[in-house]
This record gives sequence, structure tokens and C-alpha cells, in this order.
Amino acid sequence: EAGVAQSPRYKIIEKRQSVAFWCNPISGHATLYWYQQILGQGPKLLIQFQNNGVVDDSQLPKDRFSAERLKGVDSTLKIQPAKLEDSAVYLCASSLVSALGHYVNEQFFGPGTRLTVL
Amino acid sequence: RKEVEQDPGPFNVPEGATVAFNCTYSNSASQSFFWYRQDCRKEPKLLMSVYSSGNEDGRFTAQLNRASQYISLLIRDSKLSDSATYLCVVAQEYGNKLVFGAGTILRVKS
Repeated sequence: EAGVAQSPRYKIIEKRQSVAFWCNPISGHATLYWYQQILGQGPKLLIQFQNNGVVDDSQLPKDRFSAERLKGVDSTLKIQPAKLEDSAVYLCASSLVSALGHYVNEQFFGPGTRLTVL
Repeated sequence: RKEVEQDPGPFNVPEGATVAFNCTYSNSASQSFFWYRQDCRKEPKLLMSVYSSGNEDGRFTAQLNRASQYISLLIRDSKLSDSATYLCVVAQEYGNKLVFGAGTILRVKS
């Protein structure tokens, strides 16, 4: 079974530039997450989608970050404009929702996009 | 105070040693608990869930103390391949939102 796919794997940009990341979750996974992992820290949830609706974006810096999942499958995360402190690995994850509508907790992560902002 | 706190380590242990990691969480409403493993420059992967009754998976034992809001992971007979960062993870029942600790680094040496 194919895992979560992400691209690009690495990106270097200058501050104030824009960047976009793409994620394709595991087939059949209704829930998709974007995390930011700064060096030396654990992943921090930025946004969670259930199908194409947003469940939680409380920690997304909405002045510069945006995300969408228009058809309920793949997703893009954009940063515009980037700041030095945005340098991190951006991880996408997906999980199932059970037939009863309860969340199934295991989240499967993609390999991440390593962003360096100069 | 961080929602999930772990000793960052590193824990440097010889092969065959037993090592234990601890984690505390601040939100008493937390319902689900996990240990994830993250290899260097790789993505996190679920190692095991943690249940109130304690659970074991081969050389790995996880325990939860809800009263003290404390989670532990014990690794017996450490292997070189156990070298990784171990992330303590807590979830509330609603929304499947996972909160990760910063991780504990384990280095197993021959």
C-alpha cells in the first residue's frame, strides 16, 4: 500500500518569498493533517481537514499560511511571505475515520518537506 | 508549561541495556496516549499505544498513570537499531488532535 506522498522534499527560499507544498494522503483516508516540526521540537499541528472541510486550524498563522483540500484528497500548504522562523520540516499525515464517525488515532506521516528560509 | 514534557536526553546506553523514558502531560482531559519513534531525518511512526492497564510489545513496555498524568516507555535488551528519538504523544477524544512532546533521544552503542 502506498504511503503519504509529499513534494518537494527540499526547498530553499529567501525571506519574503512564497512557497507551496503538496501532499497526497493514503487512499481512503478522510482526515489529513499538516504539521510543522522545528529542529529539536516535536511536530506541531497546523491544520486538520476532514474530507475537504477544516476541523482545526487554531495554530495556523493565518496572516501568512494557507491550506486547501479542494476535492477531499490531496492538499496544498502555502506560505506567503516566508519568514526566517518558518524554517522547519513540514509533515503531512493522514488517518482513517471509523464507520461510526469516531477518529482512529494512528496517523501515517509522509517524508516531509524540509524548508530553509534564508 | 508545555502540554507534553519529556527529558530530551540524549540517553547513551550500551547494547543489551534496559532504558526507561518518562513523559508528563498537563491536560487531564486527554484520552489517548502513544509513543512514536522518529529516526534521524525521517518521519514519525507509531511505536505503540499506551493503555491504563499497561501494555507490552516484545522488548517494549508502556505504562500510563492517569492520576499522576505520567507515561513511561521501557526498552529491554537495547539494540543498535533502537537508536532514534522517542516522541510522547497525547490526544483528546474529540478531533483526534495529537500533541507531541519534543522527544527523547536514545543512542545505543556497541
